[in-house]
Amino acid sequence: GIQVEQSPPDLILQEGANSTLRCNFSDSVNNLQWFHQNPWGQLINLFYIPSGTKQNGRLSATTVATERYSLLYISSSQTTDSGVYFCAVERPGGYNKLIFGAGTRLAVHP
Amino acid sequence: EPEVTQTPSHQVTQMGQEVILRCVPISNHLYFYWYRQILGQKVEFLVSFYNNEISEKSEIFDDQFSVERPDGSNFTLKIRSTKLEDSAMYFCASDRDRVSQQYFGPGTRLTVT
Repeated sequence: GIQVEQSPPDLILQEGANSTLRCNFSDSVNNLQWFHQNPWGQLINLFYIPSGTKQNGRLSATTVATERYSLLYISSSQTTDSGVYFCAVERPGGYNKLIFGAGTRLAVHP
Repeated sequence: EPEVTQTPSHQVTQMGQEVILRCVPISNHLYFYWYRQILGQKVEFLVSFYNNEISEKSEIFDDQFSVERPDGSNFTLKIRSTKLEDSAMYFCASDRDRVSQQYFGPGTRLTVT
């Protein structure tokens, strides 16, 4: 099946710093979503981005489907950005079953 | 903005008991999913459901699990005889068609003692 690898596994930042999280996938995809899991365990949808670039406030994402990777940029990080960031993909013909990566655990310190 | 809702938010049950986790998907969505996340691990697909039948299920989704859409709004996951290893966060999701964004509910944390 399709493999999803996220890097780095852990990231520690000072408040105000910028960061880039990466998601590599092993096959072509129909769907790619980025999520933030907050301390209460909820999955907050950040981006639906099977290709191209999107921005939402301090966050932006880029997916280069032909090269099988996606990047999530966090600028001017805040302590509330802490948590785990997951990338999830769906392969063509996969009934929209999302395959999740292992996540990047981000800690932002004041 | 419409959202997926799940109840209860937290359920504690004893090993061997049956549990039913409930979800209300977004009203015009046609495809429904359950995922689970064991503490500290990644989110795993359990089952997808469309037109009142299972479209796909994972190896995790064995005979102890079942899903149902009992009416026009609810979507349920039943675990017949819970085991300790069923302790996890269970997420419901829905989407409008098979190539669009999936919307996730807030999750039900199941604790089996």
